[in-house]
Amino acid sequence: GQQLNQSPQSMFIQEGEDVSMNCTSSSIFNTWLWYKQEPGEGPVLLIALYKAGELTSNGRLTAQFGITRKDSFLNISASIPSDVGIYFCAGQRNTGTASKLTFGTGTRLQVTL
Amino acid sequence: NAGVTQTPKFQVLKTGQSMTLQCAQDMNHEYMSWYRQDPGMGLRLIHYSVGAGITDQGEVPNGYNVSRSTTEDFPLRLLSAAPSQTSVYFCASLASTDRAVSGELFFGEGSRLTVL
Repeated sequence: GQQLNQSPQSMFIQEGEDVSMNCTSSSIFNTWLWYKQEPGEGPVLLIALYKAGELTSNGRLTAQFGITRKDSFLNISASIPSDVGIYFCAGQRNTGTASKLTFGTGTRLQVTL
Repeated sequence: NAGVTQTPKFQVLKTGQSMTLQCAQDMNHEYMSWYRQDPGMGLRLIHYSVGAGITDQGEVPNGYNVSRSTTEDFPLRLLSAAPSQTSVYFCASLASTDRAVSGELFFGEGSRLTVL
């Protein structure tokens, strides 16, 4: 099955720094989503994007749906220790078909004081 | 509000043993699914269900069975466990299968399975 290419695989940053991660695919998606997984927990939805070029914010998080529909970006501003976790992108090719969700391999974020 | 509840949280099996991972949701969601998470592989869909009595295969269904007799429950069965099935398993659900935003899954806390 197809996997999304997510980078970087891991990041070690200091508290207060900004973070950028991205997700690319060889195929077009109609929806992009970003999930966060904290240690010992299941992933939780952060941001959903439904339109090419769309830029959406959720607090210190900003995500963009790439204009080509083959990529998406997530930025975290002024990182804090509770940002630690694994961030997954997910793309959905056909709306209304949850079974067609494809997940990226994840970006592991560590924040040091 | 319990959301999606998975049991057990941890399990160790010997090769060839069978077991069932339980998943229950109290949100009256139509769609339920099982994923496995392996290092460097992200989340891969095993089986899913769009409603009671309806199930279908995902990306990696071999070695797993599911059933959906009620809206609330969606158990995952391993008939003869193999070391390759060592993984963390997540159950996920969402409200409606025909929503345009149907990527918005609610995940359980996961079940960590080790097969020796």
